Amino acid sequence: GAGVSQSPSNKVTEKGKDVELRCDPISGHTALYWYRQSLGQGLEFLIYFQGNSAPDKSGLPSDRFSAERTGGSVSTLTIQRTQQEDSAVYLCASSLESRVGTQYFGPGTRLLVL
Amino acid sequence: AQTVTQSQPEMSVQEAETVTLSCTYDTSENNYYLFWYKQPPSRQMILVIRQEAYKQQNATENRFSVNFQKAAKSFSLKISDSQLGDTAMYFCAHHDQGGSEKLVFGKGTKLTVNP
Repeated sequence: GAGVSQSPSNKVTEKGKDVELRCDPISGHTALYWYRQSLGQGLEFLIYFQGNSAPDKSGLPSDRFSAERTGGSVSTLTIQRTQQEDSAVYLCASSLESRVGTQYFGPGTRLLVL
Repeated sequence: AQTVTQSQPEMSVQEAETVTLSCTYDTSENNYYLFWYKQPPSRQMILVIRQEAYKQQNATENRFSVNFQKAAKSFSLKISDSQLGDTAMYFCAHHDQGGSEKLVFGKGTKLTVNP
């Protein structure tokens, strides 16, 4: 079946603008994660959704970052008033079940804030 | 806090030879999972291998195997018969079964396989 998909693949924006990044998880996967990968760094956890439970937002770096997951499937990560330090690759992953499931990653969205 | 350390920022190996990538981690949990992911230039993170901490037997997937030393909190990846397509960033990751659901990643090792 299809893997995790993300759009857009690349996004260039101007400082101060808002951006929305989209993630389509693997069908049937109940858990969805967002990570950020800055240049030359490992992955930094941002937010996690599991079914209808309240999301774990503990990794969001500031209140300019928010995410939602509609209908238990598609998720949107929104960054308001973007800053240059927000430039990174944003990766989405999904898993069948959060506690034991392997996370499968999408191809990521490369965000460049000018 | 959980941490994952990959002490080798870059490594290289000749095609057909064997290479070992190091990873150490810190956790207070007894039950957890460990992973190695590969990230080629296409930036797609691909699962290489997974190890459950309660299993003493080291995981193996074709040319990839791990040396899991639970007491030492060490989880190294061995790639046998290296191929040009193995050139990528390799990330070690840790997941606490009883804690937060996030994966904690090391900073990665850039592996280059030379012809």
